[in-house]
Amino acid sequence: QKEVEQNSGPLSVPEGAIASLNCTYSDRVSQSFFWYRQYSGKSPELIMSIYSNGDKEDGRFTAQLNKASQYVSLLIRDSQPSDSATYLCAVSNAGKSTFGDGTTLTVKP
Amino acid sequence: EAGVAQSPRYKIIEKRQSVAFWCNPISGHATLYWYQQILGQGPKLLIQFQNNGVVDDSQLPKDRFSAERLKGVDSTLKIQPAKLEDSAVYLCASSPTGEETQYFGPGTRLLVL
Repeated sequence: QKEVEQNSGPLSVPEGAIASLNCTYSDRVSQSFFWYRQYSGKSPELIMSIYSNGDKEDGRFTAQLNKASQYVSLLIRDSQPSDSATYLCAVSNAGKSTFGDGTTLTVKP
Repeated sequence: EAGVAQSPRYKIIEKRQSVAFWCNPISGHATLYWYQQILGQGPKLLIQFQNNGVVDDSQLPKDRFSAERLKGVDSTLKIQPAKLEDSAVYLCASSPTGEETQYFGPGTRLLVL
């Protein structure tokens, strides 16, 4: 079992729809959770971080964390073609981060 | 504020040759990471430095890979000898003290023939 698992995708949604990206992790004591966006041929960049159970909203992005279920998700509302990228989930414990393999999202105009 | 700098951006070598990558983190960032990202996979941590000390190098293939961070600022990652399976993007990232958010450099794309 991988430490951080993401839906392999690809995920395709129409422009304006909600995109839902999921991530599960195996280390129950993980403390910090991150979503990074990686455009093709580029390096990852941080979108959201979340540290406590519940929802955290930032513009069109909402991160959701459920530590009991060891599950973290990212919702993208009003998806735009510019959101087309690979989304990486990263889970951190005591300063050590582990990345999932990412979910590739395509937003079709 | 300048971002994380890496060089070279691209490198093509033949197997059994050696190669070195350089990284300069964001000024003042104490933590520096080297990742290997194979196409279609997520970044895999090779080594993590806190200032000039190694925090984690459990996934570094020490028979061929080495890294150093002299003076706690810039860092070099070396592969000697390279294998075909080392073809990947090598990402350097840094974090401020006490934070876990990572800021990535542009990466070095390595092709081993």
